[in-house]
Amino acid sequence: NAGVMQNPRHLVRRRGQEARLRCSPMKGHSHVYWYRQLPEEGLKFMVYLQKENIIDESGMPKERFSAEFPKEGPSILRIQQVVRGDSAAYFCASSPTRVSNYGYTFGSGTRLTVV
Amino acid sequence: DQQVKQNSPSLSVQEGRISILNCDYTNSMFDYFLWYKKYPAEGPTFLISISSIKDKNEDGRFTVFLNKSAKHLSLHIVPSQPGDSAVYFCAASAEGSQGNLIFGKGTKLSVKP
Repeated sequence: NAGVMQNPRHLVRRRGQEARLRCSPMKGHSHVYWYRQLPEEGLKFMVYLQKENIIDESGMPKERFSAEFPKEGPSILRIQQVVRGDSAAYFCASSPTRVSNYGYTFGSGTRLTVV
Repeated sequence: DQQVKQNSPSLSVQEGRISILNCDYTNSMFDYFLWYKKYPAEGPTFLISISSIKDKNEDGRFTVFLNKSAKHLSLHIVPSQPGDSAVYFCAASAEGSQGNLIFGKGTKLSVKP
């Protein structure tokens, strides 16, 4: 039973390019959360999705960022026209229910570097 | 405005002794608290949690204490082992939230042999 799979592990983009981060939740998990960790900071909530639905995007920047979780395939976090300040570790987590008292299962993250 | 604060960026403890990691919060609507452990280049791993209706939860070497009146929780690890060396994050969930967690900045624990 594979855990939460994120790819790529490392992504380098030039300013102005697009970044696509993928997350495959654990088998049987239909709830996906994306978090971002800036250097020397804690994780910050970005967006919560269920299959084909965005439930809470209150942590998403208003521009350039979007997320989806299609019926088939992984969840995608998309960052358009990346800037240096987007450099961070992006973590995806999944759970079997909306609110899990046992915490989420996190993936290993994608480290985005914007040059 | 940080709702979850871990004021000690680092902590060094001798193997076999007790490690105490502290966390303070400001939002009285938080009803669930969790501790995560994170190794470099890996995602956070869930460790232990506590509901706001309890004041203590124990799981093996790990115990979490909650003091609601002081808005303070702590994680005790005893005995500490070198493999416990990691960054520990305190996180909280608010009643009525969609399950998203508010994280502290973390405390780096070093357990020396």
